[in-house]
Amino acid sequence: AQTVTQSQPEMSVQEAETVTLSCTYDTSESNYYLFWYKQPPSRQMILVIRQEAYKQQNATENRFSVNFQKAAKSFSLKISDSQLGDTAMYFCALVSGANSKLTFGKGITLSVRP
Amino acid sequence: DAGVTQSPTHLIKTRGQHVTLRCSPISGHKSVSWYQQVLGQGPQFIFQYYEKEERGRGNFPDRFSARQFPNYSSELNVNALLLGDSALYLCASSLEYYGYTFGSGTRLTVV
Repeated sequence: AQTVTQSQPEMSVQEAETVTLSCTYDTSESNYYLFWYKQPPSRQMILVIRQEAYKQQNATENRFSVNFQKAAKSFSLKISDSQLGDTAMYFCALVSGANSKLTFGKGITLSVRP
Repeated sequence: DAGVTQSPTHLIKTRGQHVTLRCSPISGHKSVSWYQQVLGQGPQFIFQYYEKEERGRGNFPDRFSARQFPNYSSELNVNALLLGDSALYLCASSLEYYGYTFGSGTRLTVV
């Protein structure tokens, strides 16, 4: 079985500041992928960033980067220079092995204050 | 290029009725997955189809069924609707196993 845990229900950050969203996961597979998805009020689930477990280098996409700690099974998302448009729910998700289903955490509500 | 399209956008049904939700994947994507998202929670996996064959099924009752057509579009059917089936139903398509693109979802309300 694979599990994803997001223990922070909500966070708030000032515009232009940096915020880190936490996620831990568990899987018995050695081959897996981790994702952060953003879901604004429009409900569209948007892929923010993806990390392959076999890659040691942390993934980066513009203002978004991850801290992937494989031994600790931790996968946090750092948002730099936060913008008002970053306000949304953020979900951490995992897919592992031959199992093609995405397992999501409960999500975190991020509010960016002007 | 069109993204993943889902229809209808919103739907209101009565308990006991049947509902069909539709999904058109991104052109060239052969895999379609369905997820149920209850308000305030993360999406839960329902089904995955690849090349018209069921590749995975989540922990949902037999009232839930799905199929994929030769053009890779998909339908999710739910029979004997319960109040607890009220949720956002998301469809995701992928070219390979690990590149999922989601549609905007269908908001189902059961009254």
